[in-house]
Amino acid sequence: DAGITQSPRHKVTETGTPVTLRCHQTENHRYMYWYRQDPGHGLRLIHYSYGVKDTDKGEVSDGYSVSRSKTEDFLLTLESATSSQTSVYFCAISSPEGVGETQYFGPGTRLLVL
Amino acid sequence: AQKVTQAQTEISVVEKEDVTLDCVYETRDTTYYLFWYKQPPSGELVFLIRRNSFDEQNEISGRYSWNFQKSTSSFNFTITASQVVDSAVYFCALRGENAGNMLTFGGGTRLMVKP
Repeated sequence: DAGITQSPRHKVTETGTPVTLRCHQTENHRYMYWYRQDPGHGLRLIHYSYGVKDTDKGEVSDGYSVSRSKTEDFLLTLESATSSQTSVYFCAISSPEGVGETQYFGPGTRLLVL
Repeated sequence: AQKVTQAQTEISVVEKEDVTLDCVYETRDTTYYLFWYKQPPSGELVFLIRRNSFDEQNEISGRYSWNFQKSTSSFNFTITASQVVDSAVYFCALRGENAGNMLTFGGGTRLMVKP
C-alpha cells in the first residue's frame, strides 16, 4: 500500500468556518492531488501539485485553496465552508512516469458542513 | 473534453454468478490511459488495473478480466464466479495525454453480491 495518510478522517464544522485538510505521504512522490467524491459524480479533481509550491486548479476548484511547502504534505483549505462542500475528500499521489502514471489514494476524509 | 460513463449504477447478483461492469469513454486524445478502481464498504480506493490506448490485449487476473475495445470506446470489467467480498463500488477512469493531470472518473457501479 502507498504510504498516504489523511487528517482528520472525519470532521463536522459549521457554515462559514475555515477548514484545513492534510495529506501526508511517505513515498517522496512529486505529484499530489485532492479530489472530492459525491454520489453520482465519481471523484472530481479539485487541485493538484507537481512539486513544492507548484500547484494548479482542477475541475472543481472554486472555494478551495491548496498549499505545498514540503514534498510530503499537501494541504486543502476551505476558506469559508459551505454546505455544498459536504463531501468525502481523497488525496492521491503519483510518480512522474508520464501521463499514464497510476494515482494511489489515501483513506479519505469525511467532511460534514452544517 | 473527456468523459466516462458507467451506465449501470447498481448491480445485484448471487454468489458464483459472473458479472460484467460496463465502461464507455470519450476522448479526442490519441494516447490515453484507462483505469479501474474498487471502493469496498470500508471506503478506501483500491487500484485494480491500468491499460494504455495502444494495448488492446485483454487481461485476466484470477477471477477478474478486462475487455478493452477501441472500436466501441469501451473498457469492460468482468468478475467470474463472484464472491461476497467483491461487493463494492467500482470506478472506471480515463486520463488523456492532453488532459493535463486530470483523471476523469465515471459515476461508479455499485455491485452487491448476495450469498
